Amino acid sequence: AQKITQTQPGMFVQEKEAVTLDCTYDTSDPSYGLFWYKQPSSGEMIFLIYQGSYDQQNATEGRYSLNFQKARKSANLVISASQLGDSAMYFCAMREVGLWSSASKIIFGSGTRLSIRP
Amino acid sequence: NAGVTQTPKFQVLKTGQSMTLQCAQDMNHNSMYWYRQDPGMGLRLIYYSASEGTTDKGEVPNGYNVSRLNKREFSLRLESAAPSQTSVYFCASSGTPGQKNEQFFGPGTRLTVL
Repeated sequence: AQKITQTQPGMFVQEKEAVTLDCTYDTSDPSYGLFWYKQPSSGEMIFLIYQGSYDQQNATEGRYSLNFQKARKSANLVISASQLGDSAMYFCAMREVGLWSSASKIIFGSGTRLSIRP
Repeated sequence: NAGVTQTPKFQVLKTGQSMTLQCAQDMNHNSMYWYRQDPGMGLRLIYYSASEGTTDKGEVPNGYNVSRLNKREFSLRLESAAPSQTSVYFCASSGTPGQKNEQFFGPGTRLTVL
């Protein structure tokens, strides 16, 4: 069954340091996509980065990069040079895009609350 | 483009009352979703619709029904509200299966059941 696990309920990081948020997943489907979202205290969901299971290179979007280790089924988010505005909840999510299914169900992990110290 | 819109933004119900949460998207997306987010928790999928005319159960469908009215609109109905359904409800939409399109989220509906 499809499952996303985020084992860090909360993290504190000093401003300007790099931070890694962990995400592991479980799926029997060979074709899938992995997402990271940010949810600030205002409540909206903000898309950060995407990694496809067949993508050869790790995804990068500005200060965000995704450390994708397929054999270990992990998709950790790395934020370089953290800023005060990075304080938020971060969610890892997965979509199974099976060949024989038109469904595009996406499920989320329980999230990690990141707090940046000045 | 408005993106994904949800109505209402806030709602208070008494136990046993019914209501429908409305969601619409103007991005011509095939897939639409309803999630709930309890305080301090992640998002749990209630129902989703991969395409117009189809709906499927997610992780926590009990106590809810959905209707994919057309490609734009996907409503969530609580037939007999219970305090356990107090939550923030998010609607989302995304493009075509197999593509990397991320989900676009609405602003959420904060529901309290007394």
